[in-house]
Amino acid sequence: AQKITQTQPGMFVQEKEAVTLDCTYDTSDPSYGLFWYKQPSSGEMIFLIYQGSYDQQNATEGRYSLNFQKARKSANLVISASQLGDSAMYFCAMRGLYGSGNTGKLIFGQGTTLQVKP
Amino acid sequence: EPEVTQTPSHQVTQMGQEVILRCVPISNHLYFYWYRQILGQKVEFLVSFYNNEISEKSEIFDDQFSVERPDGSNFTLKIRSTKLEDSAMYFCASTPPRERNTEAFFGQGTRLTVV
Repeated sequence: AQKITQTQPGMFVQEKEAVTLDCTYDTSDPSYGLFWYKQPSSGEMIFLIYQGSYDQQNATEGRYSLNFQKARKSANLVISASQLGDSAMYFCAMRGLYGSGNTGKLIFGQGTTLQVKP
Repeated sequence: EPEVTQTPSHQVTQMGQEVILRCVPISNHLYFYWYRQILGQKVEFLVSFYNNEISEKSEIFDDQFSVERPDGSNFTLKIRSTKLEDSAMYFCASTPPRERNTEAFFGQGTRLTVV
């Protein structure tokens, strides 16, 4: 069974500083994808970044980067130069590769609430 | 940019009533999902739907729940007899044909309140 763990219920960061949100996972699938979503107070789920388990390089998308350490089963999100608009809930999620019984469903962690201080 | 559309954005219903939550996935997508998020908690998988049938469902998705894709565009979640604990945000999501590195596209959610 797949499992995602986010151990930080809440985080604070000063505006313009970098912050790391932790995510560890467990799976027996040989191939999988890891995702981060942002959920602002308005409630929608906004895709941020994806990392494939066989990708050689860590994913980056603008101010977001994913620190992927496969041996440690961690996929931490790094947000550089935090902005006030980054204040939100952040979810780490995993998906197994389609096929072999995998339907592409996402398994989510508990989420981390990030507050950016001015 | 194509998007997943959910209606209504907010629904209030009496306990025991039936509700239908509606979703229009992105047109060329093949995989459809419903997720639920009780206030302040994590997002939980309910059901996946592919090729006009349920491909997987969670233990939450009991006999009170059903899904349909009646006309090739809409994707609905029906709760037959709502309970107070069904109050949650319900998200519809879809993904394109099997592409390894594609995220699920989420709708904006329907907030269901059972009173």
